[in-house]
Amino acid sequence: NAGVMQNPRHLVRRRGQEARLRCSPMKGHSHVYWYRQLPEEGLKFMVYLQKENIIDESGMPKERFSAEFPKEGPSILRIQQVVRGDSAAYFCASSDDGHNSPLHFGNGTRLTVT
Amino acid sequence: GNSVTQMEGPVTLSEEAFLTINCTYTATGYPSLFWYVQYPGEGLQLLLKATKADDKGSNKGFEATYRKETTSFHLEKGSVQVSDSAVYFCALPHGQNFVFGPGTRLSVLP
Repeated sequence: NAGVMQNPRHLVRRRGQEARLRCSPMKGHSHVYWYRQLPEEGLKFMVYLQKENIIDESGMPKERFSAEFPKEGPSILRIQQVVRGDSAAYFCASSDDGHNSPLHFGNGTRLTVT
Repeated sequence: GNSVTQMEGPVTLSEEAFLTINCTYTATGYPSLFWYVQYPGEGLQLLLKATKADDKGSNKGFEATYRKETTSFHLEKGSVQVSDSAVYFCALPHGQNFVFGPGTRLSVLP
């Protein structure tokens, strides 16, 4: 009964490198959400995807950030040319129908940019 | 759009003390309301929810009642334990995603 799986748990990148974060939703869930959490702050919505579609990307920076949720495989959050300000915990969550259903969260990926 | 205001922390209590964490919301209609808990180094977990006015959500000794007249969903527990030390988030749907409060850090001392 696997929950939402995120990997890696910790990721260190130098400035200018690419960061790739993966999320496998709970079995049977087709709705995926990505959130960012800065230290001692709340969660900030980034993007909401269903299989092969981006539904809402209003919280995602226009440049350097992209997300996908292909027909097969995990959802990927990609950050190109990382900067120190990208250092944060990135959480993925999934739900089964996307309408007021509770979100199930992974344990997050903690990105550190040096 | 929908929004949530949550009591700022941190909150420090002794074991067996009474806990209240305030949450008020602004919303169109009557959306479901949620409390999530985040333990150190982990993701958020659903603690409880309420789907309509006057509903009471409860779990692990925690309770919250959906009050439409005061637009509130305060979290309460009668006797906290050290293991309740965590960050608590109030949340509600917002468009096609969810909006979360800033979180309230609770520390319970033995």
